[in-house]
Amino acid sequence: LAKTTQPISMDSYEGQEVNITCSHNNIATNDYITWYQQFPSQGPRFIIQGYKTKVTNEVASLFIPADRKSSTLSLPRVSLSDTAVYYCLVGVPFYSSASKIIFGSGTRLSIRP
Amino acid sequence: DAGITQSPRHKVTETGTPVTLRCHQTENHRYMYWYRQDPGHGLRLIHYSYGVKDTDKGEVSDGYSVSRSKTEDFLLTLESATSSQTSVYFCAISEATSGSSSNEQFFGPGTRLTVL
Repeated sequence: LAKTTQPISMDSYEGQEVNITCSHNNIATNDYITWYQQFPSQGPRFIIQGYKTKVTNEVASLFIPADRKSSTLSLPRVSLSDTAVYYCLVGVPFYSSASKIIFGSGTRLSIRP
Repeated sequence: DAGITQSPRHKVTETGTPVTLRCHQTENHRYMYWYRQDPGHGLRLIHYSYGVKDTDKGEVSDGYSVSRSKTEDFLLTLESATSSQTSVYFCAISEATSGSSSNEQFFGPGTRLTVL
């Protein structure tokens, strides 16, 4: 199972772009990279998922280099409401009965006015 | 929001007593999961289910058992609760058919369990 390493915490200011990098050196060929956001007293919420290169949705972008040993979640123009814990996960799609996803400790992002 | 409920939302119990937590979904999703979350540990997978009566262990399954007798319900049982099982428990669901690459899980509101 691929383990992930993320910074424990990050600080930024409103209106800035925030990039959170996740290291996953032993990612397997079939693994996808998924990011979740969690607010206090709530369950995590899916943000974005990718396999290679770049993926963008209305919330964030995910950059994955060719070797796939790391990935970067990019949050454009953050606001105070983006203050949360962000988790990077690596695993196979859930249609595989052998799939097991591991959440790391996440990155605590604090946005200041 | 996905239709996931957890019950109870809060529970205080004593060491050695059995405890059952319930997760109920109205989405008809195939996969269901139980996680625990402790300070500094993120979420850790306890057990998961990939269909009715089909379950498998996760990362921290010792001391826990699960059952899934119908699609909508996934029960987590602590046969004899210990203080180390004090935690917040989250249920999650997902649906992925062959050919889908989505790892998206939808999480319930959580159950805060305290074992004295």
